[in-house]
Amino acid sequence: QQQVKQSPQSLIVQKGGISIINCAYENTAFDYFPWYQQFPGKGPALLIAIRPDVSEKKEGRFTISFNKSAKQFSLHIMDSQPGDSATYFCAARVGGGSNYKLTFGKGTLLTVNP
Amino acid sequence: GAVVSQHPSRVICKSGTSVKIECRSLDFQATTMFWYRQFPKKSLMLMATSNEGSKATYEQGVEKDKFLINHASLTLSTLTVTSAHPEDSSFYICSAGDGLNTEAFFGQGTRLTVV
Repeated sequence: QQQVKQSPQSLIVQKGGISIINCAYENTAFDYFPWYQQFPGKGPALLIAIRPDVSEKKEGRFTISFNKSAKQFSLHIMDSQPGDSATYFCAARVGGGSNYKLTFGKGTLLTVNP
Repeated sequence: GAVVSQHPSRVICKSGTSVKIECRSLDFQATTMFWYRQFPKKSLMLMATSNEGSKATYEQGVEKDKFLINHASLTLSTLTVTSAHPEDSSFYICSAGDGLNTEAFFGQGTRLTVV
């Protein structure tokens, strides 16, 4: 049973456009939702994260929108650049602090064309 | 920022041999370390969780005798793939947390190829 569903599987965006990746979860005990960026042959790196007590968090060109009632969250990349081309994973976990066990979505391969 | 280093980054071994992958936290003490496996163009699959000084907790379906995990110190965890076979070829990634920060930090991964 996949607890975090991510879509689309792949996404092609023109430079300067907005990239939108969506995730939905089932476990209402999840209370921390990070997004990771992974380049080929590298480990994932934390991009931005949100807790369910806020509906939006913005860091530079990256914004997470969170809809607790719908159990959905999304990543928006504004002014997308070719350097943003990577695989993006949403994730979720139960509990804060030192509970680091993550449930990952299946990933979205983003290609930003110049 | 916190740095987690994996070694080697790439390894090729012959079928039937064992290979060890190291995961080190360079600037913090890692109370908990995780080992993931990732197939090409797929998501990360958690294999096991290890806490310093105790036995690792393996996820369902992961063979503990095949994937030996040791977390002997607060800065080092090792994953040994025993009697490796071509189907064990994969990208292995570790992450480490210090119990204080919200995030666990990922290593750069190890590409294992069994020939």
